Amino acid sequence: EVQLVESGGGLVQPGRSLRLSCAASGFNFDDFAMSWVRQLPGKGLEWVAGISWNSGRIGYADFVKGRFIISRDNAKKSLYLQMNSLRAGDTGFYYCSKAQSGAIKTGLTDWGQGTLITVS
Amino acid sequence: QTLVTQEPSLTVSPGGTVTLTCASTTGTVTDDYSPNWFQQKPGQPPKSLIYSSSNRHSWTPARFSGSLVGGKAVLTLSGVRPEDEADYFCLLHFGTAQLVFGGGTKLTVL
Repeated sequence: EVQLVESGGGLVQPGRSLRLSCAASGFNFDDFAMSWVRQLPGKGLEWVAGISWNSGRIGYADFVKGRFIISRDNAKKSLYLQMNSLRAGDTGFYYCSKAQSGAIKTGLTDWGQGTLITVS
Repeated sequence: QTLVTQEPSLTVSPGGTVTLTCASTTGTVTDDYSPNWFQQKPGQPPKSLIYSSSNRHSWTPARFSGSLVGGKAVLTLSGVRPEDEADYFCLLHFGTAQLVFGGGTKLTVL
């Protein structure tokens, strides 16, 4: 069974940094692309960033470029999101998601329960 | 800025059929956009229903089907059940490595 467990969320002051982690289990982590998706309070879903199976291809939403960095450690079966210069508008739930295959474009098949970030 | 548009809300009667659409401001949606559809119920993470335009997962009920019609990605629900009441989001792929969600459709079963 695929399991994705996010951690690292919490309350942070504007302008500060936070690092999210996602621990993966139940599948061959290094075969699949991964993404971070967020949901602001009462709003829809926003894709934040994605990384291919071997980190060879990385993409970001326009609204986070230069502030957030996605990375992965296949040996540790973990996905990360380094979030810098946080703003109140970044407040929301952040989900870790597994793609259908090694490429980012293949979608978001499995999801974690999410971690809440509050910037205030 | 690329936008992906969906109907904000739709209402359907139990047992009926409803069609949700997903359009791109860049033009016609094709298989290259790798359309995905998700269902989200309150307090839960999203659940993937359809990938690559029309492929169901093993857990996706057969009453959900995806297609490309008239330059848009389409999600059709046939024989709608009360438990299908939820928010539905589409996802499109752009460029080399960017994904964009639509604004979502709130489906009411009434």
